[in-house]
Amino acid sequence: QVQLVESGGGLVKPGGSLRLSCAASGFTFSDYYMSWIRQAPGKGLEWVSYISSSGSTIYYADSVKGRFTISRDNAKNSLYLQMNSLRAEDTAVYYCARDLTTMYSSGVFDYWGQGTLVTVSS
Amino acid sequence: VIWMTQSPSLLSASTGDRVTISCRMSQGISSYLAWYQQKPGKAPELLIYAASTLQSGVPSRFSGSGSGTDFTLTISCLQSEDFATYYCQQYYSFPRTFGQGTKVEIK
Repeated sequence: QVQLVESGGGLVKPGGSLRLSCAASGFTFSDYYMSWIRQAPGKGLEWVSYISSSGSTIYYADSVKGRFTISRDNAKNSLYLQMNSLRAEDTAVYYCARDLTTMYSSGVFDYWGQGTLVTVSS
Repeated sequence: VIWMTQSPSLLSASTGDRVTISCRMSQGISSYLAWYQQKPGKAPELLIYAASTLQSGVPSRFSGSGSGTDFTLTISCLQSEDFATYYCQQYYSFPRTFGQGTKVEIK
């Protein structure tokens, strides 16, 4: 069965860095586009970033552009989010999510991980 | 950026009720709309995509309609497990955006 397991969250000071990982299993990871989506405590969902199956195409939300970097290692079935210059407003649960279709981006997220909490506070 | 207005933000209903949630776009998105259900402490789950296509395994009491700028999620006969928060999401363009959410609570 499809599984996405995030890790790497924690408490970090403003201006600090953190690297999130998402381990995928139960499907051919290299066939799917992947995204990171976050949810601040008690708030709604915010799409953060997207990466194509090969890693050649990447998009970011304006709120994280220039600070966050998405990447993937298809040999390790893993997705990453490097987060630099963190701000209090980046505090959220971060989910990795799989695209519904293979080989292109449908923009629909059919499987989500359980999420990892990132807290940015001094 | 495509902005989304989801209404109502809170809906009080009873088991067996028919409920409707609306999602309005700031510009037309054809049928590039999905609906998700989220329960407390859990990740969202996909219910509907392409405005009206039911995701595999989702009960048929859920249905979606609309195109262009106005969309609706309907739950025909509310069950106890349906009390949750529902989000619409457009995938017509980047950035992908979500509605503010509708919490369906027990009346």
